[in-house]
Amino acid sequence: RKEVEQDPGPFNVPEGATVAFNCTYSNSASQSFFWYRQDCRKEPKLLMSVYSSGNEDGRFTAQLNRASQYISLLIRDSKLSDSATYLCVVESGAGSYQLTFGKGTKLSVIP
Amino acid sequence: EAQVTQNPRYLITVTGKKLTVTCSQNMNHEYMSWYRQDPGLGLRQIYYSMNVEVTDKGDVPEGYKVSRKEKRNFPLILESPSPNQTSLYFCASLGTDTYEQYFGPGTRLTVT
Repeated sequence: RKEVEQDPGPFNVPEGATVAFNCTYSNSASQSFFWYRQDCRKEPKLLMSVYSSGNEDGRFTAQLNRASQYISLLIRDSKLSDSATYLCVVESGAGSYQLTFGKGTKLSVIP
Repeated sequence: EAQVTQNPRYLITVTGKKLTVTCSQNMNHEYMSWYRQDPGLGLRQIYYSMNVEVTDKGDVPEGYKVSRKEKRNFPLILESPSPNQTSLYFCASLGTDTYEQYFGPGTRLTVT
Protein backbone atom coordinates (compact mmCIF):
# COMPACT_ATOMS: atom_id res chain seq x y z
CA ARG A 1 0.00 0.00 0.00
CA LYS A 2 1.25 3.44 -0.93
CA GLU A 3 1.59 5.58 2.20
CA VAL A 4 2.14 9.22 2.92
CA GLU A 5 3.03 10.04 6.50
CA GLN A 6 2.82 13.41 8.21
CA ASP A 7 3.16 14.62 11.78
CA PRO A 8 -0.47 15.45 12.69
CA GLY A 9 0.51 18.29 15.04
CA PRO A 10 -1.03 20.50 16.10
CA PHE A 11 1.70 23.06 15.67
CA ASN A 12 0.91 26.16 17.72
CA VAL A 13 3.26 29.00 16.78
CA PRO A 14 3.29 32.76 17.41
CA GLU A 15 2.86 35.23 14.60
CA GLY A 16 6.10 35.87 12.80
CA ALA A 17 7.56 32.45 13.56
CA THR A 18 9.06 30.09 11.03
CA VAL A 19 7.53 26.63 10.97
CA ALA A 20 8.46 23.51 9.01
CA PHE A 21 6.35 20.50 8.14
CA ASN A 22 7.72 17.19 7.00
CA CYS A 23 6.26 14.35 5.03
CA THR A 24 7.56 10.94 3.99
CA TYR A 25 6.24 8.74 1.22
CA SER A 26 6.69 5.07 0.51
CA ASN A 27 6.29 4.84 -3.26
CA SER A 28 9.66 5.33 -4.90
CA ALA A 29 7.98 5.51 -8.32
CA SER A 30 6.13 8.72 -7.46
CA GLN A 31 6.97 11.60 -9.75
CA SER A 32 4.79 14.49 -8.63
CA PHE A 33 4.40 16.01 -5.18
CA PHE A 34 2.22 18.74 -3.75
CA TRP A 35 1.18 20.61 -0.66
CA TYR A 36 -2.50 21.38 -0.24
CA ARG A 37 -4.08 23.62 2.34
CA GLN A 38 -7.42 22.87 3.97
CA ASP A 39 -9.30 25.33 6.12
CA CYS A 40 -11.71 23.99 8.71
CA ARG A 41 -14.76 22.38 7.08
CA LYS A 42 -13.67 23.56 3.64
CA GLU A 43 -12.32 21.80 0.58
CA PRO A 44 -8.56 21.29 0.13
CA LYS A 45 -6.86 23.69 -2.25
CA LEU A 46 -3.51 23.44 -3.97
CA LEU A 47 -0.87 25.48 -2.15
CA MET A 48 2.13 24.58 -4.27
CA SER A 49 3.75 21.86 -6.28
CA VAL A 50 7.09 20.50 -5.11
CA TYR A 51 9.96 20.27 -7.57
CA SER A 52 13.23 18.41 -7.27
CA SER A 53 15.19 21.63 -7.25
CA GLY A 54 13.02 23.08 -4.51
CA ASN A 55 10.69 25.97 -5.07
CA GLU A 56 9.62 29.10 -3.30
CA ASP A 57 6.42 31.11 -3.42
CA GLY A 58 6.60 34.18 -1.23
CA ARG A 59 6.87 33.03 2.39
CA PHE A 60 6.50 29.36 1.44
CA THR A 61 9.34 27.05 0.43
CA ALA A 62 8.94 23.43 -0.58
CA GLN A 63 11.75 20.90 -0.81
CA LEU A 64 11.93 17.36 -2.15
CA ASN A 65 14.53 14.75 -1.26
CA ARG A 66 13.97 11.78 -3.57
CA ALA A 67 16.73 9.68 -2.05
CA SER A 68 15.12 9.87 1.39
CA GLN A 69 11.55 10.02 0.00
CA TYR A 70 10.94 13.12 2.03
CA ILE A 71 9.09 16.37 1.34
CA SER A 72 9.09 19.52 3.42
CA LEU A 73 7.20 22.79 3.61
CA LEU A 74 8.67 25.86 5.30
CA ILE A 75 6.53 28.84 6.21
CA ARG A 76 8.36 32.02 7.16
CA ASP A 77 6.92 34.99 9.03
CA SER A 78 3.72 33.13 9.93
CA LYS A 79 0.45 35.04 9.68
CA LEU A 80 -2.80 34.38 11.50
CA SER A 81 -4.29 33.56 8.11
CA ASP A 82 -1.85 30.66 7.71
CA SER A 83 -3.80 28.72 10.34
CA ALA A 84 -5.08 25.63 8.53
CA THR A 85 -4.33 21.97 7.95
CA TYR A 86 -1.56 21.26 5.44
CA LEU A 87 -1.84 18.11 3.39
CA CYS A 88 1.11 16.38 1.76
CA VAL A 89 0.06 14.80 -1.53
CA VAL A 90 1.95 12.33 -3.68
CA GLU A 91 1.10 11.09 -7.14
CA SER A 92 1.12 7.32 -7.32
CA GLY A 93 3.47 7.05 -10.24
CA ALA A 94 3.47 5.86 -13.83
CA GLY A 95 1.13 8.62 -14.95
CA SER A 96 -1.75 7.10 -13.03
CA TYR A 97 -3.22 10.45 -11.92
CA GLN A 98 -3.88 8.78 -8.60
CA LEU A 99 -3.07 11.03 -5.67
CA THR A 100 -2.41 9.78 -2.16
CA PHE A 101 -3.10 12.30 0.59
CA GLY A 102 -1.39 12.47 3.94
CA LYS A 103 -3.67 12.93 6.94
CA GLY A 104 -2.51 16.50 7.34
CA THR A 105 -0.65 18.66 9.80
CA LYS A 106 -2.67 21.22 11.70
CA LEU A 107 -1.15 24.66 12.15
CA SER A 108 -2.46 27.32 14.52
CA VAL A 109 -0.78 30.73 14.40
CA ILE A 110 -1.36 32.59 17.63
CA PRO A 111 -1.40 36.39 18.05
CA GLU B 1 -14.89 30.57 -13.28
CA ALA B 2 -13.37 27.10 -13.01
CA GLN B 3 -15.29 25.14 -10.44
CA VAL B 4 -16.57 21.85 -9.14
CA THR B 5 -20.07 21.91 -7.72
CA GLN B 6 -21.72 19.38 -5.44
CA ASN B 7 -25.27 19.01 -4.25
CA PRO B 8 -26.60 18.81 -1.67
CA ARG B 9 -24.12 20.47 0.67
CA TYR B 10 -25.77 19.00 3.75
CA LEU B 11 -27.93 15.92 4.03
CA ILE B 12 -29.42 14.04 6.94
CA THR B 13 -31.05 10.75 6.03
CA VAL B 14 -32.06 7.43 7.51
CA THR B 15 -30.53 4.02 7.10
CA GLY B 16 -31.48 2.31 3.87
CA LYS B 17 -32.92 5.28 2.01
CA LYS B 18 -31.17 5.57 -1.35
CA LEU B 19 -29.51 8.86 -2.09
CA THR B 20 -27.44 10.50 -4.80
CA VAL B 21 -24.89 13.27 -4.42
CA THR B 22 -24.33 15.12 -7.66
CA CYS B 23 -21.01 16.49 -8.87
CA SER B 24 -20.31 18.64 -11.88
CA GLN B 25 -17.20 20.35 -13.24
CA ASN B 26 -16.84 22.98 -15.94
CA MET B 27 -13.16 22.50 -16.79
CA ASN B 28 -13.55 19.69 -19.34
CA HIS B 29 -11.41 17.44 -17.14
CA GLU B 30 -11.35 13.78 -17.99
CA TYR B 31 -10.36 12.58 -14.54
CA MET B 32 -12.80 12.85 -11.64
CA SER B 33 -12.98 11.21 -8.25
CA TRP B 34 -14.87 10.97 -4.98
CA TYR B 35 -13.32 11.09 -1.52
CA ARG B 36 -14.59 10.81 1.99
CA GLN B 37 -12.90 12.55 4.88
CA ASP B 38 -13.16 11.33 8.45
CA PRO B 39 -11.40 12.57 11.59
CA GLY B 40 -8.06 10.84 12.04
CA LEU B 41 -8.32 9.03 8.71
CA GLY B 42 -7.75 11.84 6.26
CA LEU B 43 -9.01 11.82 2.69
CA ARG B 44 -9.74 8.40 1.28
CA GLN B 45 -10.66 7.80 -2.32
CA ILE B 46 -13.96 6.03 -2.96
CA TYR B 47 -14.13 5.82 -6.76
CA TYR B 48 -12.51 7.52 -9.68
CA SER B 49 -13.13 7.90 -13.38
CA MET B 50 -10.55 8.34 -16.10
CA ASN B 51 -13.13 9.28 -18.71
CA VAL B 52 -16.74 8.83 -19.79
CA GLU B 53 -17.98 5.29 -19.07
CA VAL B 54 -14.67 4.43 -17.36
CA THR B 55 -14.82 4.08 -13.58
CA ASP B 56 -12.74 2.21 -11.04
CA LYS B 57 -12.63 1.52 -7.33
CA GLY B 58 -10.54 3.56 -4.99
CA ASP B 59 -9.54 2.60 -1.47
CA VAL B 60 -12.99 2.44 0.16
CA PRO B 61 -15.62 1.61 -2.52
CA GLU B 62 -17.88 -0.65 -0.45
CA GLY B 63 -21.43 0.67 -0.20
CA TYR B 64 -21.03 3.19 -3.03
CA LYS B 65 -21.73 3.34 -6.75
CA VAL B 66 -20.81 5.90 -9.37
CA SER B 67 -21.57 6.56 -13.00
CA ARG B 68 -19.93 8.67 -15.68
CA LYS B 69 -22.33 9.13 -18.56
CA GLU B 70 -21.11 12.62 -19.38
CA LYS B 71 -17.71 14.18 -19.00
CA ARG B 72 -18.84 16.94 -16.69
CA ASN B 73 -20.93 14.87 -14.23
CA PHE B 74 -19.89 12.19 -11.77
CA PRO B 75 -22.68 11.36 -9.28
CA LEU B 76 -22.11 9.30 -6.14
CA ILE B 77 -24.86 6.87 -5.26
CA LEU B 78 -25.52 5.25 -1.90
CA GLU B 79 -28.06 2.49 -2.58
CA SER B 80 -28.62 1.66 1.09
CA PRO B 81 -26.84 4.13 3.35
CA SER B 82 -25.64 3.02 6.76
CA PRO B 83 -24.47 5.06 9.77
CA ASN B 84 -20.81 4.25 9.03
CA GLN B 85 -21.18 6.27 5.83
CA THR B 86 -21.70 9.41 7.87
CA SER B 87 -18.85 11.55 6.62
CA LEU B 88 -17.72 14.61 4.69
CA TYR B 89 -17.63 13.84 0.98
CA PHE B 90 -15.62 15.66 -1.66
CA CYS B 91 -15.85 15.40 -5.40
CA ALA B 92 -12.78 16.43 -7.37
CA SER B 93 -11.56 16.77 -10.91
CA LEU B 94 -7.97 16.70 -12.02
CA GLY B 95 -6.14 18.73 -14.60
CA THR B 96 -3.93 16.07 -16.16
CA ASP B 97 -1.40 18.59 -17.40
CA THR B 98 -0.71 20.10 -13.99
CA TYR B 99 -1.97 17.37 -11.66
CA GLU B 100 -3.86 20.09 -9.80
CA GLN B 101 -6.90 18.59 -8.13
CA TYR B 102 -9.92 20.86 -7.90
CA PHE B 103 -12.30 19.98 -5.11
CA GLY B 104 -15.96 20.68 -4.75
CA PRO B 105 -17.16 22.41 -1.55
CA GLY B 106 -18.05 19.15 0.15
CA THR B 107 -21.22 17.35 1.19
CA ARG B 108 -21.73 16.66 4.85
CA LEU B 109 -23.80 13.49 5.13
CA THR B 110 -25.35 12.14 8.31
CA VAL B 111 -27.03 8.73 8.27
CA THR B 112 -29.11 7.93 11.32
